[in-house]
Amino acid sequence: QVQLVESGGGVVQPGGSLRLSCAASGFTFSSYGMHWVRQAPGKGLEWVAFIRYDGSNKYYADSVKGRFTISRDNSKNTLYLQMNSLRAEDTAVYYCAKDLRVVRGVIFHYWGQGTLVTVSS
Amino acid sequence: DIQMTQSPSSLSASVGDRVTITCQASQDISNYLNWYQQKPGKAPKLLIYDASNLETGVPSRFSGSGSGTDFTFTISSLQPEDIATYYCQQYDNLPPWTFGQGTKVEIK
Repeated sequence: QVQLVESGGGVVQPGGSLRLSCAASGFTFSSYGMHWVRQAPGKGLEWVAFIRYDGSNKYYADSVKGRFTISRDNSKNTLYLQMNSLRAEDTAVYYCAKDLRVVRGVIFHYWGQGTLVTVSS
Repeated sequence: DIQMTQSPSSLSASVGDRVTITCQASQDISNYLNWYQQKPGKAPKLLIYDASNLETGVPSRFSGSGSGTDFTFTISSLQPEDIATYYCQQYDNLPPWTFGQGTKVEIK
């Protein structure tokens, strides 16, 4: 069965950095696009970043562009999100999510359990 | 960016009631519309994709319809385990891929 397990969340000061990881299993990780989606406390869902199955294309929400970097290691079945210059408004639960289809269509098929990032002094 | 306007923001209904949630896109998105269920403290779960396709294992009381800019999500007979927040999400060609604000469903 598909499993996505995030790790790396925690408390960080404004301006600090954090790297999230998402360990994938139960499917051919190297065949699927992957995403990060976040949810601020008590708020709705916000798509953050996408990486193509082979890492060749990456997209970011304007709110994180230039500060966050998505990457993947297909040999380790792991997705990453490097977060720099963190702000209070980045405080959220961060989910990794797998696309439903190998080709076209952004459909968040499976989600991890989420990891909480708190940006506070 | 494509804006998704979801309504209502919350609703209260009785067990067995038919529940309808609407989602309107700010421009034509064909059928590129998905619906998710999120229970408190849990990750979202895909229910409907491509506007009307039921995800495997999802009960048939859930359904979706629509195309273009106007979409509807229906629970034909509300059950106690359906208490959750429901989100629509569009995936027109280019990012950002955006969600509606969510609809919190409660039992009356």
